[in-house]
Amino acid sequence: AQSVSQHNHHVILSEAASLELGCNYSYGGTVNLFWYVQYPGQHLQLLLKYFSGDPLVKGIKGFEAEFIKSKFSFNLRKPSVQWSDTAEYFCAVNDNNNDMRFGAGTRLTVKP
Amino acid sequence: EAQVTQNPRYLITVTGKKLTVTCSQNMNHEYMSWYRQDPGLGLRQIYYSMNVEVTDKGDVPEGYKVSRKEKRNFPLILESPSPNQTSLYFCASSLTGGVTDTQYFGPGTRLTVL
Repeated sequence: AQSVSQHNHHVILSEAASLELGCNYSYGGTVNLFWYVQYPGQHLQLLLKYFSGDPLVKGIKGFEAEFIKSKFSFNLRKPSVQWSDTAEYFCAVNDNNNDMRFGAGTRLTVKP
Repeated sequence: EAQVTQNPRYLITVTGKKLTVTCSQNMNHEYMSWYRQDPGLGLRQIYYSMNVEVTDKGDVPEGYKVSRKEKRNFPLILESPSPNQTSLYFCASSLTGGVTDTQYFGPGTRLTVL
């Protein structure tokens, strides 16, 4: 079975700093990749997803992610974070057998 | 408003006392799923359902039951809860369960089993 690794458990940044959250997966076949965000006290919601085409995917709220097949990675980026980006971020991978796996999550704290 | 609802949002119970967490969606989605979220482990799938009367085990189904008698509802049943089932539970739905589908999550149910 595939697995998803998010290396950073907790990231603390100041406002306007750039963000990159790592996500690696262990599956050699075709994958569909997602980033979900969970704001404090709220449910998970989709930030962006990739399943084909341009490996640089743009999502909501200025987030983007790049799929690098050779590195089995799908890192999330934002050039300038805001206090309102404080949340927990989950990477998820779904293979074509519909086996959906989530990473352990990365908690982002943005200091005003 | 399109949404997934769960009830109750918070529940404290004792070992062995049967409980049901309800989940309902108003988007006419075929696919529904239950996850549990534990610190350091992320979300793990308990059960999922591709359509009415079709359910399958996820990664951690032990100690749980589900049913899908109607398209909109997907209750999670703990027949004899134990303390290791203390967790945050999320219900989710998607249009067809396709591999590229976006899942829509409910607000979560925080369960404590004493």
